[in-house]
Amino acid sequence: QVQLVESGGGVVQPGGSLRLSCAASGFTFNAYNMHWVRLAPGKGLEWLAFIWSTGGAEEHADSVKGRFTISRDNSKNMLFLEMTSLRPEDTALYYCARDDTHYALDHWGQGTLVTVSS
Amino acid sequence: QSAPTQPPSASGSPGQSVTISCTGTSSDIGAYHYVSWFQQYTGKAPKLLIYDVSKRPSGVPDRFSGSKSGNTASLTVSGLQAEDEADYYCYSYAGSRSWVFGGGTKLTVL
Repeated sequence: QVQLVESGGGVVQPGGSLRLSCAASGFTFNAYNMHWVRLAPGKGLEWLAFIWSTGGAEEHADSVKGRFTISRDNSKNMLFLEMTSLRPEDTALYYCARDDTHYALDHWGQGTLVTVSS
Repeated sequence: QSAPTQPPSASGSPGQSVTISCTGTSSDIGAYHYVSWFQQYTGKAPKLLIYDVSKRPSGVPDRFSGSKSGNTASLTVSGLQAEDEADYYCYSYAGSRSWVFGGGTKLTVL
């Protein structure tokens, strides 16, 4: 069955960096586009980033553009989110999600928690 | 990229129907047929309920239905059950490889 497992979250100081990983299994990873989404405390879901199945193109939300970078390693069935210049408002539960062919997110991981605090 | 507007809360009694609206713009909901809805319980990952405005993935009860008119998408939950109490989010393609979530609606079953 499809499984997505995020890791790499933790506590980091403002201005710091963190790299999130998402291990995919149970499907042909290199055939699917992937996304990162976050849920901040007391707020709603926020779309963060997208990457093509081949890794040939990606896009980021304005709120993280220039600070976060999505990437993938299809040889290892892994998705990544490199986060720099972290701010307290980046504190959230970060999810990776699979994009089906209808631009819908049909499978999600359980999330990894990032806390930005001094 | 501003979030489509959803009512913060909605409620209904068991057996009733509730409709949650999601109002975007002509650049997102109004422009594309790629509108989805998600259900999220506290502490759990979101679950896809509706895609392509009105289609249901296998396993989603037909009590959940979606529609769209102009810049507004809607999710209707018929025959409300206690287990439907959760947060609901709309999600739309917004062009140029970007997407946007609605602000979310907390559904309470009275």
